[in-house]
Amino acid sequence: KAGVTQTPRYLIKTRGQQVTLSCSPISGHRSVSWYQQTPGQGLQFLFEYFSETQRNKGNFPGRFSGRQFSNSRSEMNVSTLELGDSALYLCASSAGLAETYEQYFGPGTRLTVT
Amino acid sequence: GDSVTQMEGPVTLSEEAFLTINCTYTATGYPSLFWYVQYPGEGLQLLLKATKADDKGSNKGFEATYRKETTSFHLEKGSVQVSDSAVYFCALGIGYQKVTFGTGTKLQVIP
Repeated sequence: KAGVTQTPRYLIKTRGQQVTLSCSPISGHRSVSWYQQTPGQGLQFLFEYFSETQRNKGNFPGRFSGRQFSNSRSEMNVSTLELGDSALYLCASSAGLAETYEQYFGPGTRLTVT
Repeated sequence: GDSVTQMEGPVTLSEEAFLTINCTYTATGYPSLFWYVQYPGEGLQLLLKATKADDKGSNKGFEATYRKETTSFHLEKGSVQVSDSAVYFCALGIGYQKVTFGTGTKLQVIP
């Protein structure tokens, strides 16, 4: 079974620009979660999608948004990039069942904002 | 809100030493508890989990017991190897797929 894939793996953007990151979950998984990982803040939950609906949201500004498609692939968008958005963005997929939290992580997208 | 506190790193051990990484949590309700491991340049991998009090999760020689009375989930391994060098994250899950992670503890094992 193929694992979680994220594209692109590395990205360099300039302040003020916007960026879209993509995540393809494991086949059959309907839940996709996004996390931001930085040395200072650690891993922070952004949001989670299940069957194209956002079920959970973390404490991030509205510049961070996401969506999920009917094939469970998900995209995350960050608008008006700031230097502080430089981070590793991790996507995780799971079956999405109520009591199942086994998440399978992708390798991440390393975003650098200059 | 829900939170996880784990010991600061880095932790440096000699090969075959005993490992303990402390983790305590605060949660409303009854969370599931996890340990994830992140090797350099990779995403996180689930190492072990426990879904209710007194459950013991184990994998690859690592163990952790869900202690409700002390709200703890300490990770232990009897004999570490160089290949265990990584960052270890304690986490709790409550509600639909909302997982809260600790800050991570870097483990370095020297030959």
